[in-house]
Amino acid sequence: DVKVTQSSRYLVKRTGEKVFLECVQDMDHENMFWYRQDPGLGLRLIYFSYDVKMKEKGDIPEGYSVSREKKERFSLILESASTNQTSMYLCATTILSNQPQHFGDGTRLSIL
Amino acid sequence: ELKVEQNPLFLSMQEGKNYTIYCNYSTTSDRLYWYRQDPGKSLESLFVLLSNGAVKQEGRLMASLDTKARLSTLHITAAVHDLSATYFCAVDLHDKLIFGTGTRLQVFP
Repeated sequence: DVKVTQSSRYLVKRTGEKVFLECVQDMDHENMFWYRQDPGLGLRLIYFSYDVKMKEKGDIPEGYSVSREKKERFSLILESASTNQTSMYLCATTILSNQPQHFGDGTRLSIL
Repeated sequence: ELKVEQNPLFLSMQEGKNYTIYCNYSTTSDRLYWYRQDPGKSLESLFVLLSNGAVKQEGRLMASLDTKARLSTLHITAAVHDLSATYFCAVDLHDKLIFGTGTRLQVFP
């Protein structure tokens, strides 16, 4: 079974802080994704990566950056957190583009 | 821009009844996924539909894909309480997934 581990289930930070969300997978998958989930909006893609040191913008990249230094780890960075970034953040991985994505448990982030 | 619309957004149904959730999308795609999410939990893959006319069934759930109509359906047969969850469809667009807003299903006795 694929295991996708997100570093925190719940996180509270203050406006202006730099925030790191970590995601680690144990199945040697090339493809990794970061989404945010908000009520009534479904999941929206922030960034994704198809290989180490490779990143692509998703649909809502503003205010975020990512890092992929190792194949198994994909980090989402909020450079200067703002209250409108309060959300549930989900990491996902897949080995092939026509296979379902496997999701982590999510990080519920609150920015005060 | 690809838009994915699910309806209904909320569905309250009695145990034993049948119902269908609809997923419409606006741009050509021949790959569609259905996921389930329980409250406070992550998303679990239910079905992968990879071609026009594809039909998949698992227990009381059956999913189908009509790429010409840009429509997928998730049919629930004889609903039971354990099916209460939020269901998402997701359309593949150039190897990225575009998710619908989700259908929150509640099954009551």
